[in-house]
Amino acid sequence: GAGVSQSPSNKVTEKGKDVELRCDPISGHTALYWYRQSLGQGLEFLIYFQGNSAPDKSGLPSDRFSAERTGGSVSTLTIQRTQQEDSAVYLCASSPGLSGEKLFFGSGTQLSVL
Amino acid sequence: QKEVEQNSGPLSVPEGAIASLNCTYSDRVSQSFFWYRQYSGKSPELIMSIYSNGDKEDGRFTAQLNKASQYVSLLIRDSQPSDSATYLCAVRYQTGANNLFFGTGTRLTVIP
Repeated sequence: GAGVSQSPSNKVTEKGKDVELRCDPISGHTALYWYRQSLGQGLEFLIYFQGNSAPDKSGLPSDRFSAERTGGSVSTLTIQRTQQEDSAVYLCASSPGLSGEKLFFGSGTQLSVL
Repeated sequence: QKEVEQNSGPLSVPEGAIASLNCTYSDRVSQSFFWYRQYSGKSPELIMSIYSNGDKEDGRFTAQLNKASQYVSLLIRDSQPSDSATYLCAVRYQTGANNLFFGTGTRLTVIP
């Protein structure tokens, strides 16, 4: 499809396990964002990729969280040793670039840590 | 510290009324302003953007920007039950790598 694709749509894991969340942005979009949204809350910024520049990791809540973006396209958000407080919807968004204003969001990954 | 603030609501209006959603921001070095709508269980989608002072109208939606007072508003005329959603304000600043900041959103309920 032409939109931002995220997988899996739902992930249930046990406390202490590692998880990987995938985001496939719109083709040609150079900017990619990861956000986290807890139930009834706003968007919490996690990490931002822009082209080949070093990512802005200032929103990652702990060193258990990491993300990479391969070839300027697909991005993977990894959470190590998951905790119950990591349970949330993880949203990925992309935009055309530095002058691209509109963010296109994926449908999110609902992560539940038991 | 750049901040974007919104009243979390809930804001309830009767069908057909005007819904007024407000957002304030803390940094004068701002460039562009956005309103996203998020239905329950869905992802945010952009409904309005505004870049200069004044009003911008699109159908039943009007965005109002006042940079001197550092606020941006969204008016929804003839509110419909289908407008019931959370509305997120976003501000893009001129500087910084990640220069896009979201408010926490205002939950709007339009009562039939």
